[in-house]
Amino acid sequence: GEDVEQSLFLSVREGDSSVINCTYTDSSSTYLYWYKQEPGAGLQLLTYIFSNMDMKQDQRLTVLLNKKDKHLSLRIADTQTGDSAIYFCAERRWAGGYNKLIFGAGTRLAVHP
Amino acid sequence: DGGITQSPKYLFRKEGQNVTLSCEQNLNHDAMYWYRQDPGQGLRLIYYSQIVNDFQKGDIAEGYSVSREKKESFPLTVTSAQKNPTAFYLCASSTSGTALEAFFGQGTRLTVV
Repeated sequence: GEDVEQSLFLSVREGDSSVINCTYTDSSSTYLYWYKQEPGAGLQLLTYIFSNMDMKQDQRLTVLLNKKDKHLSLRIADTQTGDSAIYFCAERRWAGGYNKLIFGAGTRLAVHP
Repeated sequence: DGGITQSPKYLFRKEGQNVTLSCEQNLNHDAMYWYRQDPGQGLRLIYYSQIVNDFQKGDIAEGYSVSREKKESFPLTVTSAQKNPTAFYLCASSTSGTALEAFFGQGTRLTVV
């Protein structure tokens, strides 16, 4: 992910909230995404947010978007051991003929008892 | 069940050989993509196809080739020209709407021996 930055690791206690942060550089990006990857598996789309929104909530997941600072975050409430995975932030960008997803390097979330 | 299927899950290749990775989807999506994932890095786009019989190079197309003869299928050939082919390969397909919801297969891990 050349222009999408994420911290590489996050460790939280079971039951606490997790907050995974992401910064992007293209202010014209219209959609931003969060994907989850479990070991040895493909990516699962968790949620996405349109750039004219500040917040989106879906059950335990809350996405916050600060378009001025180009900052995106994913909050997982009541984190469970099953939430342990790598979380990728992605932005949609027009690449002169097609829409392209630019991915961050992923944040590895470890949930401990 | 609708989904996207990659095969095989694991693939071993001798140096100098070409290998083909399979990707099939029954989601009726027009767009399909191939990504490469290396440890600690985000996904990098190899090739994409917006419609049958048409495909375009992504960011790292050298040493790879694709075909799109059917809507459901988008096989990727890793040729002997690819200098460092050992990686995890992910195929995706997406809706044609503006949200670009991409769905991923479970991946193929290719190892050169």
